[in-house]
Amino acid sequence: QKEVEQNSGPLSVPEGAIASLNCTYSDRGSQSFFWYRQYSGKSPELIMSIYSNGDKEDGRFTAQLNKASQYVSLLIRDSQPSDSATYLCAASGSARQLTFGSGTQLTVLP
Amino acid sequence: DAEITQSPRHKITETGRQVTLACHQTWNHNNMFWYRQDLGHGLRLIHYSYGVQDTNKGEVSDGYSVSRSNTEDLPLTLESAASSQTSVYFCASSEHPGATPYEQYFGPGTRLTVT
Repeated sequence: QKEVEQNSGPLSVPEGAIASLNCTYSDRGSQSFFWYRQYSGKSPELIMSIYSNGDKEDGRFTAQLNKASQYVSLLIRDSQPSDSATYLCAASGSARQLTFGSGTQLTVLP
Repeated sequence: DAEITQSPRHKITETGRQVTLACHQTWNHNNMFWYRQDLGHGLRLIHYSYGVQDTNKGEVSDGYSVSRSNTEDLPLTLESAASSQTSVYFCASSEHPGATPYEQYFGPGTRLTVT
């Protein structure tokens, strides 16, 4: 069974710090990886996609992928209270389906 | 603007009743998905469709059905609602425009309570 595991948290960081969110996946055939942000009571919102080994940066967000270690991470620099949310990691193989982790709840303390 | 909508946003129903949740997208995406989200379980795939007249079972499909008669809509039907189906339901859609494979975009969700 394909699994995506995330550190369950909750994770608390002070404002301005770097938040590090981690994810591992079991299916070596996974090709595409996604990070979604979900505010309480809202739907998941796609914030990052990554397909190749290495880093991908978008503003304050950096996604990192290591296919050999089956590991994906999301770094949030200069964390803001508005970044407080649950972050979902997802993986996709050759099929068009996504397998989601259970999410990590992040709180950024002012 | 293109979007994905769900209705109703909130629904309370009784055990044994048939319930249909609507999902409508205006992106002209071929791929559509239904998930349920429960505390401790994350997002679990119920059914999905890769195009008109195509439907497939997901991880937790028992008690649910879908039909795809056009590109825009994928209604989810609970044949005989059970208390275990109390959950938040999300619809999502995706396409493969070359460089960004299979990014899924979610609707606002439907909170269903079965009493």
